[in-house]
Amino acid sequence: GAGVSQSPSNKVTEKGKDVELRCDPISGHTALYWYRQSLGQGLEFLIYFQGNSAPDKSGLPSDRFSAERTGGSVSTLTIQRTQQEDSAVYLCASSLAVIGGADTQYFGPGTRLTVL
Amino acid sequence: AQSVTQLDSQVPVFEEAPVELRCNYSSSVSVYLFWYVQYPNQGLQLLLKYLSGSTLVKGINGFEAEFNKSQTSFHLRKPSVHISDTAEYFCAVKRGGSQGNLIFGKGTKLSVKP
Repeated sequence: GAGVSQSPSNKVTEKGKDVELRCDPISGHTALYWYRQSLGQGLEFLIYFQGNSAPDKSGLPSDRFSAERTGGSVSTLTIQRTQQEDSAVYLCASSLAVIGGADTQYFGPGTRLTVL
Repeated sequence: AQSVTQLDSQVPVFEEAPVELRCNYSSSVSVYLFWYVQYPNQGLQLLLKYLSGSTLVKGINGFEAEFNKSQTSFHLRKPSVHISDTAEYFCAVKRGGSQGNLIFGKGTKLSVKP
């Protein structure tokens, strides 16, 4: 079946512009995660959606970052007033949440963001 | 809070040689442990995971890992590597018994040479 898809695959923007990154999770997966992968910081958690619960935003690095998940499916990560330090690969993952938390997260191919 | 340390940032090895990629974690509670592989310009793919039970876990592509609670380790091994195993490998931890995000190590780049 189809895996997690992300768009665009690459995004180049100028400092100060806003960007939107999209994630389509695996159909039926109730949990959705955003991570950021950068050379200096490795893989960092950003935000987590689970069903209709309030999202866990504890990993968002600043208030310039926000995300939403519409209809329990597609998610959009928005970065406002981009800075050069926002340059990274943004990875989305989804999982079928199970009791006890023993679910497996499936990752998309990522969006490579370059801020000039 | 949990944390993960991957002791080697790069591991070069010759084809058909054995390899061990080391991972240690820190946690005051029970954890689930994972190894993911990332091929160039691709997302992460699950190799194997430890949830409970047998401490020796077998995964895809001939990899296995052993959970050692006393040493808080979850080292990844393969008895004979192939050129196609060249990739970056990430160890990750998650609080056991709960939903939520993974906490990743910095990754180990495995380079298999002919």
